[in-house]
Amino acid sequence: GAVVSQHPSWVICKSGTSVKIECRSLDFQATTMFWYRQFPKQSLMLMATSNEGSKATYEQGVEKDKFLINHASLTLSTLTVTSAHPEDSSFYICSASPTGLGPLVYEQYFGPGTRLTVT
Amino acid sequence: AQKVTQAQTEISVVEKEDVTLDCVYETRDTTYYLFWYKQPPSGELVFLIRRNSFDEQNEISGRYSWNFQKSTSSFNFTITASQVVDSAVYFCALSEEGSASKIIFGSGTRLSIRP
Repeated sequence: GAVVSQHPSWVICKSGTSVKIECRSLDFQATTMFWYRQFPKQSLMLMATSNEGSKATYEQGVEKDKFLINHASLTLSTLTVTSAHPEDSSFYICSASPTGLGPLVYEQYFGPGTRLTVT
Repeated sequence: AQKVTQAQTEISVVEKEDVTLDCVYETRDTTYYLFWYKQPPSGELVFLIRRNSFDEQNEISGRYSWNFQKSTSSFNFTITASQVVDSAVYFCALSEEGSASKIIFGSGTRLSIRP
């Protein structure tokens, strides 16, 4: 149980185009999902917290107009990288926190990641 | 503010040696959670352990053990009799109860086990 999927697992897009990444909780509902970005040989950096039915909360320095997050259902959050540039090339990882556990974070499940390459 | 420091960027040992990965954290909260994750070359994070701030008991799971010491704000991870399959990047992470469930990761330690 507690599986999180991401689609696609990898994507190559041209500079200036937009790309959407999906994060799904397959066997549980998640009120809260998180999006991380990981550059090569670096750590995971939290980009934003996505709450179902409300606006995402972005970390300092993350452009909300460039990284659009939609959490329209309890099992799906999407991250759209708009007008992508080569510097947006990275590994994007989502995680989901099951509904019903309140603010406790210990149950947080990570997706397998999506590798984005912008040419 | 919360912070996790993994001072060891890279470690390389010969198979069967024991190795300890260090983790030092900073937090103002009295209730918090500490984690270790393994990230193999595939990129997918593998959850290893979670500890809450009220449980300082050391944990052992097979060849893995963890030493949590609040007095030094450390949560170190030891692999006994290392194996080549242990080669990966290991992340220590922290979450404060009042931080809206955010997990903050350390910079990671790249562990290489040589045959």
